Amino acid sequence: AQSVTQLGSHVSVSEGALVLLRCNYSSSVPPYLFWYVQYPNQGLQLLLKYTTGATLVKGINGFEAEFKKSETSFHLTKPSAHMSDAAEYFCAGRTKASKIIFGSGTRLSIRP
Amino acid sequence: GAGVSQSPSNKVTEKGKDVELRCDPISGHTALYWYRQSLGQGLEFLIYFQGNSAPDKSGLPSDRFSAERTGGSVSTLTIQRTQQEDSAVYLCASNLLGVGNTDTQYFGPGTRLTVL
Repeated sequence: AQSVTQLGSHVSVSEGALVLLRCNYSSSVPPYLFWYVQYPNQGLQLLLKYTTGATLVKGINGFEAEFKKSETSFHLTKPSAHMSDAAEYFCAGRTKASKIIFGSGTRLSIRP
Repeated sequence: GAGVSQSPSNKVTEKGKDVELRCDPISGHTALYWYRQSLGQGLEFLIYFQGNSAPDKSGLPSDRFSAERTGGSVSTLTIQRTQQEDSAVYLCASNLLGVGNTDTQYFGPGTRLTVL
């Protein structure tokens, strides 16, 4: 089945620490991959996306993600967490039928 | 407007009543999606429209749910005989599929449905 899997429904890090949110996709999902963010009481917005070319993708607010075909992963990272990064993060992929499917989401909390 | 709009923003209904939720996608976007987001849950895919193709209804949770898209633009999601477990935020998204584009989803603000 075509799927996108996020490991960890809740991740908590200290302010200034590394943020790592994990996402794996099924090999049947073509490498069109996305991360979306949903801040409290706001709608979803695109954080970054990978389509072709460079496998390290940079997004807004200092986030980046690396597409690793051998590991079927597209993990999201940020070197230093900020309190304003607290939000729900969704990994998504485009299926061969051009349907966009989402992972179950990871809630990121930042400790002062 | 420039973005995806949804109406109503909030809907409170009684169990057993029918509801209709509306989505106006970005003009010219060929693909339209409905998702459901329950409290503490992720995004649950419901249905997907792409141009004039038959919609992908594989995510609809029961036959009480249906959706249509008229004229390739506005979409209505209908829930018949609502149940309390239908309470959620219903999100609509659109994008422009085609050669050279990258399928960025543009989300509406959602409709918060509460079934009493």
